[in-house]
Amino acid sequence: DTAVSQTPKYLVTQMGNDKSIKCEQNLGHDTMYWYKQDSKKFLKIMFSYNNKELIINETVPNRFSPKSPDKAHLNLHINSLELGDSAVYFCASSLGRVRTDTEAFFGQGTRLTVV
Amino acid sequence: AQSVAQPEDQVNVAEGNPLTVKCTYSVSGNPYLFWYVQYPNRGLQFLLKYITGDNLVKGSYGFEAEFNKSQTSFHLKKPSALVSDSALYFCAVRPGAGGSYIPTFGRGTSLIVHP
Repeated sequence: DTAVSQTPKYLVTQMGNDKSIKCEQNLGHDTMYWYKQDSKKFLKIMFSYNNKELIINETVPNRFSPKSPDKAHLNLHINSLELGDSAVYFCASSLGRVRTDTEAFFGQGTRLTVV
Repeated sequence: AQSVAQPEDQVNVAEGNPLTVKCTYSVSGNPYLFWYVQYPNRGLQFLLKYITGDNLVKGSYGFEAEFNKSQTSFHLKKPSALVSDSALYFCAVRPGAGGSYIPTFGRGTSLIVHP
């Protein structure tokens, strides 16, 4: 019974395309995140979404947009994909502001390759 | 702003020997500190955390970590390494009260345990 699930696991696409990555959590958490892991394994926060409040890392291009249809889902949309967008994208969830002493739970990642 | 430093990109240790993966942090006020492990092609998994109380915290798979407030450190340790401990380890910090609830991660340390 997967706690945080992402689909697809692998995504290969051409430059200029628009793609989405889906994320769902069944933990009842109120906060969800998107992280980008680059080729050097560095984890960078992209977005945090808590009770309809979106916090955006200012370095993230506006081609990236999160969409949350409900508390259990936070999907990532990427427009006009570029070669530099190739990375592994992780979704995560936690109790966020409610319980900052609790850990985050991560999905298995989506490896995006732009060709 | 909070930050985490993991000064070693890679740590090599022989199986059966003790291991240490270093982490230092900077945060306003008291910190909440976390260690996560990432196995190849997997998401991050929570190992252990320090919130308050005893400076030595024990976690999954025989790992432990020592919180040292004066040195602002939270090093991960294990008395006897296993080959299966080989993975990427991330330290993360949040401020204990107030501030951002979004955890900040270090750059990761690759642990390689040799048979």
